[in-house]
Amino acid sequence: QVQLVQSGAEVKKPGASVKVSCKASGYTFTGYYMHWVRQAPGQGLEWMGWINPNSGGTNYAQKFQGRVTMTRDTSISTAYMELSRLRSDDTAVYYCARVAAAGTLGYWGQGTLVTVSS
Amino acid sequence: SYVLTQPPSVSVAPGQTARITCGGNNIGSKSVHWYQQKPGQAPVLVVYDDSDRPSGIPERFSGSNSGNTATLTISRVEAGDEADYYCQVWDSSSDQGVFGGGTKLTVL
Repeated sequence: QVQLVQSGAEVKKPGASVKVSCKASGYTFTGYYMHWVRQAPGQGLEWMGWINPNSGGTNYAQKFQGRVTMTRDTSISTAYMELSRLRSDDTAVYYCARVAAAGTLGYWGQGTLVTVSS
Repeated sequence: SYVLTQPPSVSVAPGQTARITCGGNNIGSKSVHWYQQKPGQAPVLVVYDDSDRPSGIPERFSGSNSGNTATLTISRVEAGDEADYYCQVWDSSSDQGVFGGGTKLTVL
């Protein structure tokens, strides 16, 4: 069965960077795009972008252009999302989500809480 | 950028029908997906391509999409349906994913 297991919670200071990992299992990692979505406390879902694990190609939401980098390591079936120049309003749960039927986000990781605080 | 508008909250009594709307400019020309999210959990896909259900999702969940409004309908609402619901589309013009602001469904 498809499983996405994310790295643990992080606490960062403003201006720092964070890198969240998403380890995939139960399917061919390079066969499906991986998306990243975040959710600030008490707020809605916000799409951040995707990575094509096969080619490494990426597409980022305009809001995060220049601050986000999505990468992957196919040897260990793991996708990464790095967000730089962190601000307090980047405090959120960050999810990886794998594409399923019709381009939907059919499989989700458990989420990683990133707290940005001085 | 493309904007999806949902009502912040919808309330319904058990056994009744809940309808959650998602408004967007000519949304009828797009495929709309719906996600359910319970507190402390990751979202779960409940309807895709306007009206299809993933395996394991009860037939009580259905969807429609026309004009400027897509609708998620939950029939015979149960206490376990209480959750936040999000609509989502892909904006092909910008190749960006877009979520609605979410609707909190309260079962009275």
